[in-house]
Amino acid sequence: GAGVSQTPSNKVTEKGKYVELRCDPISGHTALYWYRQSLGQGPEFLIYFQGTGAADDSGLPNDRFFAVRPEGSVSTLKIQRTERGDSAVYLCASSPSPGQGDTQYFGPGTRLTVL
Amino acid sequence: KQEVTQIPAALSVPEGENLVLNCSFTDSAIYNLQWFRQDPGKGLTSLLLIQSSQREQTSGRLNASLDKSSGRSTLYIAASQPGDSATYLCAVFPGNQFYFGTGTSLTVIP
Repeated sequence: GAGVSQTPSNKVTEKGKYVELRCDPISGHTALYWYRQSLGQGPEFLIYFQGTGAADDSGLPNDRFFAVRPEGSVSTLKIQRTERGDSAVYLCASSPSPGQGDTQYFGPGTRLTVL
Repeated sequence: KQEVTQIPAALSVPEGENLVLNCSFTDSAIYNLQWFRQDPGKGLTSLLLIQSSQREQTSGRLNASLDKSSGRSTLYIAASQPGDSATYLCAVFPGNQFYFGTGTSLTVIP
């Protein structure tokens, strides 16, 4: 595809509900990253996939957060029992390979609001 | 843990002025440093990527420098234009993830 796409662009949910956020990386990119950006802050790392496996999930804040990438392309970030503090913009990025020299290409983000 | 600081947090300049944005990081063990631009409600757009072995990169009116040993980078914008108004984020890549600063919000006044 032309770039990284994320759906939905906006999601409003009630406290305690379950949400799924989707990321479609650039075709052929093996590395995929999820970040969370709160208002006035820089993005914070959540999880990194190399292919289908989570190579580093150290940024996930707690066990309510989970992400999958079953076929090594599309990824879904899942949040259970949402809390108001989960409200943020969730950004996805992909890069051609996990090599240290590659840039990351970011999607437009999903703005999650938990009421 | 890597910490990235950007100064100033906000900057307002008249059109045509040259300006410098600063970024500092605490751990020099990085593979690269990247400058991004973020427009309100939008994702991040990569501006310049500097590998750890490089000292600077240039693209059009933008020039970024990297001094890894002192943990500093600067983004120089020449002849600023109103369309440059955005938040500029610096990020360092030690391995698996980017560590971002909180950004500098730039306003270029026509």
